[in-house]
Amino acid sequence: GESVGLHLPTLSVQEGDNSIINCAYSNSASDYFIWYKQESGKGPQFIIDIRSNMDKRQGQRVTVLLNKTVKHLSLQIAATQPGDSAVYFCAEINGQNFVFGPGTRLSVLP
Amino acid sequence: NAGVTQTPKFQVLKTGQSMTLQCAQDMNHEYMSWYRQDPGMGLRLIHYSVGAGITDQGEVPNGYNVSRSTTEDFPLRLLSAAPSQTSVYFCASSYGSDNTEAFFGQGTRLTVV
Repeated sequence: GESVGLHLPTLSVQEGDNSIINCAYSNSASDYFIWYKQESGKGPQFIIDIRSNMDKRQGQRVTVLLNKTVKHLSLQIAATQPGDSAVYFCAEINGQNFVFGPGTRLSVLP
Repeated sequence: NAGVTQTPKFQVLKTGQSMTLQCAQDMNHEYMSWYRQDPGMGLRLIHYSVGAGITDQGEVPNGYNVSRSTTEDFPLRLLSAAPSQTSVYFCASSYGSDNTEAFFGQGTRLTVV
């Protein structure tokens, strides 16, 4: 069935380095793709979204890239900080609902 | 604003018991939804509502009921709890079903023994 998934379950980066979290999706009809961050013991928190007719969108320290040719979505975090340690989920809007991937755990090393 | 409030935060049930997970939002959002989150998996949609009086099933609705009598509240009922329903449950709301910025509650950790 249609699904959203992630290439790596865990990612460790040095503080100050850039992080890249990847996601593969299969539903090419989705209008929006979204990244959420979930810290331990908390609910997911919206980070950034990108519309399907865009290739790139930038926020504060974050950039989302969308490659529709290979159905790939990535989240880039610049100058990764300890507070960025969390699980990151990609999601797509399928009809009226979100479809979430399994998540990538980002660990920031001192 | 309190945002999305879920109660209780933790709950232990015996197999066969019923209970209601509460969810309330004070942002006047039309769209509300319930997800369950299991280890190693993303959030899976249980039920959702696009407005008061309207509910629909998500990906994993079996064993759960919902109602939406007001815009603010969207309770999730477990009719007869089973160990397979042990999970963390999240309620979310957004302005509309196509609004990408959903606001999530803190979650309810449910254990069924």
